[in-house]
Amino acid sequence: GAVVSQHPSRVICKSGTSVKIECRSLDFQATTMFWYRQFPKQSLMLMATSNEGSKATYEQGVEKDKFLINHASLTLSTLTVTSAHPEDSSFYICSATDRPSYEQYFGPGTRLTVT
Amino acid sequence: SQQGEEDPQALSIQEGENATMNCSYKTSINNLQWYRQNSGRGLVHLILIRSNEREKHSGRLRVTLDTSKKSSSLLITASRAADTASYFCATERAGSYQLTFGKGTKLSVIP
Repeated sequence: GAVVSQHPSRVICKSGTSVKIECRSLDFQATTMFWYRQFPKQSLMLMATSNEGSKATYEQGVEKDKFLINHASLTLSTLTVTSAHPEDSSFYICSATDRPSYEQYFGPGTRLTVT
Repeated sequence: SQQGEEDPQALSIQEGENATMNCSYKTSINNLQWYRQNSGRGLVHLILIRSNEREKHSGRLRVTLDTSKKSSSLLITASRAADTASYFCATERAGSYQLTFGKGTKLSVIP
């Protein structure tokens, strides 16, 4: 089956610093990648949709200057949390698909803790 | 706004029993998908049912979709302790490739 990896799996950073999270599709070319955020014991909230080679589309309420998304190739998308604050602490999950309207393949998630 | 709403929020059953989870949604959809998440992990795709389908099976899973009621159910038969996880429904809205997730049902299967 299709595999999506995320790196790092856990990261602790200090307030004010930036953190980059990578999402890779290992055995398929992901035309579209999605970034989600999940608070403890809650559901996934879509943050943004990115298509390879074009700008990401952000959901309402998500600051594009705060959460920078780059989808430079068909196998890699990155999410950079800039000037992180404790309220940015969360579980960030990416997903990828090569066929719209079919299943999305999810990465294992990255737990970000901002101190 | 949150699209899918699952109920119950939590379900605890004995191994071997069946588990039924329900999901309701509000808008027109292309398809509805069920995912499973073990604690602190990513999501695993279980099954996808399209808007023109009414029922689908995959192993011990059975999913129904009623577009007139905007609801779906996931049945896990002969549950096992390893089925313990959170289960989410996700709807792909008509005209969009994006998924909107429900709040999930936390299933505990007691050995």
